[in-house]
Amino acid sequence: GQNIDQPTEMTATEGAIVQINCTYQTSGFNGLFWYQQHAGEAPTFLSYNVLDGLEEKGRFSSFLSRSKGYSYLLLKELQMKDSASYLCAVRGRTGGFKTIFGAGTRLFVKA
Amino acid sequence: DSGVTQTPKHLITATGQRVTLRCSPRSGDLSVYWYQQSLDQGLQFLIQYYNGEERAKGNILERFSAQQFPDLHSELNLSSLELGDSALYFCASSTRDSTDTQYFGPGTRLTVL
Repeated sequence: GQNIDQPTEMTATEGAIVQINCTYQTSGFNGLFWYQQHAGEAPTFLSYNVLDGLEEKGRFSSFLSRSKGYSYLLLKELQMKDSASYLCAVRGRTGGFKTIFGAGTRLFVKA
Repeated sequence: DSGVTQTPKHLITATGQRVTLRCSPRSGDLSVYWYQQSLDQGLQFLIQYYNGEERAKGNILERFSAQQFPDLHSELNLSSLELGDSALYFCASSTRDSTDTQYFGPGTRLTVL
């Protein structure tokens, strides 16, 4: 089956850098996604990794190691508006292709 | 704005009632997914449709059903509602490229009193 683990909560300071880790188990790995979700709002797509390495997009970067079943989302120059949940999602093959979402990491950014 | 639309935004109803939630996918997307998110909980996958056909089923209760119409919009029907069905219901549609990235609608907040 598929399984995703990420920390429940993290706290960081405005202006700092934070790394949110995600470990996963899946068969037929076919991509990893990161989403941001503010409370009461829809998840919004941040990044997609299918090959090993780092993808950078402005203040956000996402890293993938397929051999380790590991990814992280790096947020730089933290702003108060980055306080949100960050969802790791993995697309794998169980029967057909399926994307499953982790429970999310709630990030609190303090002044 | 993801391009996925959902109506209504809010719905308040009583236990035992039936409601229908509606979703229109992004232009060109063939897949529609439905998720339930209770307060402070993760996304629970309910069901997926692809071009009118059911593609995958998650933890969807028998009281819930869905369909996707020829114009690709989808409806989620919830019947015999219980207090525990109060939640945010999200619809997502996914791209036709190999990434299959899901884009989410704004959600329908259902309150069952």
